[in-house]
Amino acid sequence: GAGVSQTPSNKVTEKGKYVELRCDPISGHTALYWYRQSLGQGPEFLIYFQGTGAADDSGLPNDRFFAVRPEGSVSTLKIQRTERGDSAVYLCASSLRAGVYNEQFFGPGTRLTVL
Amino acid sequence: DAKTTQPPSMDCAEGRAANLPCNHSTISGNEYVYWYRQIHSQGPQYIIHGLKNNETNEMASLIITEDRKSSTLILPHATLRDTAVYYCIVPRRDDKIIFGKGTRLHILP
Repeated sequence: GAGVSQTPSNKVTEKGKYVELRCDPISGHTALYWYRQSLGQGPEFLIYFQGTGAADDSGLPNDRFFAVRPEGSVSTLKIQRTERGDSAVYLCASSLRAGVYNEQFFGPGTRLTVL
Repeated sequence: DAKTTQPPSMDCAEGRAANLPCNHSTISGNEYVYWYRQIHSQGPQYIIHGLKNNETNEMASLIITEDRKSSTLILPHATLRDTAVYYCIVPRRDDKIIFGKGTRLHILP
């Protein structure tokens, strides 16, 4: 079956611009996670959803970052007034239910470059 | 999360067993040990997890010491496709995974 998909695979933008990154989880998975990964580092947790609601957004670095999942399936990560430091690979994962005891399936990521 | 310590990199000859160590001396009695790996340009992939008994699946074996302060992930017959970063994780809360820097495993032909 289809895995987690993310679009676009690459996004180049200019400093100060607004970007949206999309994640399509595996069908039927109620939990969805966003991570950010900088070069040479492990993925850094940003936010996760259980259904439509954000259960934990403690990893969002500041109020320029926002994520939604209005129908409990597709999620969009939104970054306002992008900065060069936002450049990273943004990873999405989904699992059948929330909780670390449920295997997370990751997408291939979106590589964001802010010039 | 309980702090885990892994070597930054390791080499292993193709066809040999790769043994990846992880130290988690502050682990609590009800905390699991999880392993994920990340192949270049891909998202992380779950490998295996365990509590205190040794575990084996089609990908790997997990050996946890009796005091649970350390564990070893074993890839029995490493192939070039096993070249990846391997993350040992001990989640403290039952809601999210915190990744460290992991071990970069190089499989040598």
